[in-house]
Amino acid sequence: DAGVIQSPRHEVTEMGQEVTLRCKPISGHNSLFWYRQTMMRGLELLIYFNNNVPIDDSGMPEDRFSAKMPNASFSTLKIQPSEPRDSAVYFCASSFSGVAKNIQYFGAGTRLSVL
Amino acid sequence: DQQVKQNSPSLSVQEGRISILNCDYTNSMFDYFLWYKKYPAEGPTFLISISSIKDKNEDGRFTVFLNKSAKHLSLHIVPSQPGDSAVYFCASNYGGSQGNLIFGKGTKLSVKP
Repeated sequence: DAGVIQSPRHEVTEMGQEVTLRCKPISGHNSLFWYRQTMMRGLELLIYFNNNVPIDDSGMPEDRFSAKMPNASFSTLKIQPSEPRDSAVYFCASSFSGVAKNIQYFGAGTRLSVL
Repeated sequence: DQQVKQNSPSLSVQEGRISILNCDYTNSMFDYFLWYKKYPAEGPTFLISISSIKDKNEDGRFTVFLNKSAKHLSLHIVPSQPGDSAVYFCASNYGGSQGNLIFGKGTKLSVKP
């Protein structure tokens, strides 16, 4: 059974460019989460969706960040324009609400470097 | 303000001995707690969890203890193995069943052969 799939695994871009990170959750899961990991702040929740609807985006740092979930099997996190301080590892996770409460399954992450 | 704190950034233990990783939380509304393990270049993987109605949960070599009055939980690994070397994150549920988890900053465990 495939886990959460994120692409790309690594992204190097220049300041000002648009960056799009992609996530395919585990089939049958109805919640999806985007996290950012940095040395200073650890793992921070950026946004999460339930049944494809954004529930809480209070962790999104700025308007430069946006996330979409057009269907149950795909989500994107976009940064436009990107800045060096956006450099971090971005994780996507999914879960199924109501069974094994709150256990989230993570993808391998996307390491973003903005030069 | 950190709601979930792991005050030890690192821990070194000899193979075969017990590893004890600690976590403190500040929000008394938290009702579910999880431990995740993370290897380099991989995402965190779920290890073990505990509900606030319990004070202990055991799964093989891993046991989690919860002290609600002290707002403290700990993960015991007995016996520790070199393959347990990883970063361990404590996480707590923040309201509802939608799974909005708050993570600690992690403790890097090194198990020496």
